[in-house]
Amino acid sequence: GENVEQHPSTLSVQEGDSAVIKCTYSDSASNYFPWYKQELGKGPQLIIDIRSNVGEKKDQRIAVTLNKTAKHFSLHITETQPEDSAVYFCAAITLSGGYQKVTFGTGTKLQVIP
Amino acid sequence: EAQVTQNPRYLITVTGKKLTVTCSQNMNHEYMSWYRQDPGLGLRQIYYSMNVEVTDKGDVPEGYKVSRKEKRNFPLILESPSPNQTSLYFCASISTSGTDTQYFGPGTRLTVL
Repeated sequence: GENVEQHPSTLSVQEGDSAVIKCTYSDSASNYFPWYKQELGKGPQLIIDIRSNVGEKKDQRIAVTLNKTAKHFSLHITETQPEDSAVYFCAAITLSGGYQKVTFGTGTKLQVIP
Repeated sequence: EAQVTQNPRYLITVTGKKLTVTCSQNMNHEYMSWYRQDPGLGLRQIYYSMNVEVTDKGDVPEGYKVSRKEKRNFPLILESPSPNQTSLYFCASISTSGTDTQYFGPGTRLTVL
């Protein structure tokens, strides 16, 4: 089955700096890679995603890159703000005739220091 | 408003007492899923359903049952709960018509004594 490793587990950055979170996956059949933000007491919320036919995707201050050969993908947050403080999860999913199993990383707790 | 609802939000029970956590979505999504979240382990998939009457095991199905008799509902059943099932549970539904966005419910915190 799929195995997703996520690093680092905790990350502290100064407001305005960039933050990078990395994930690696094991199953080459995985072709959809979403990132979720989870605030305290809430369910995860999708912030950005990428499919295996794309190398990079950007949405304002957030970007995701995918290296299919190396089986890793990364979340980049630029110009961090205190409201970016949360736990971030990556996931690897096989989309084939519909969703199949979803495997999450173990999460990264991001703290943005004002 | 598009949403996934779960009930109850908090539950304390005792070992062996059957319980059901309900999940309902109002977005007409085909795919629904249950996860448990434990510190240091992230979210792990328990069961998923690709449509009515179609369910399959995720990574940690032991001790759980599900059913999908209607498109909007996907209850999680613990026939004989044990303390190792103390966790935070999330239900999610997914649109499979283009965006593949997964919408999560607010979570159910279960404690089994």
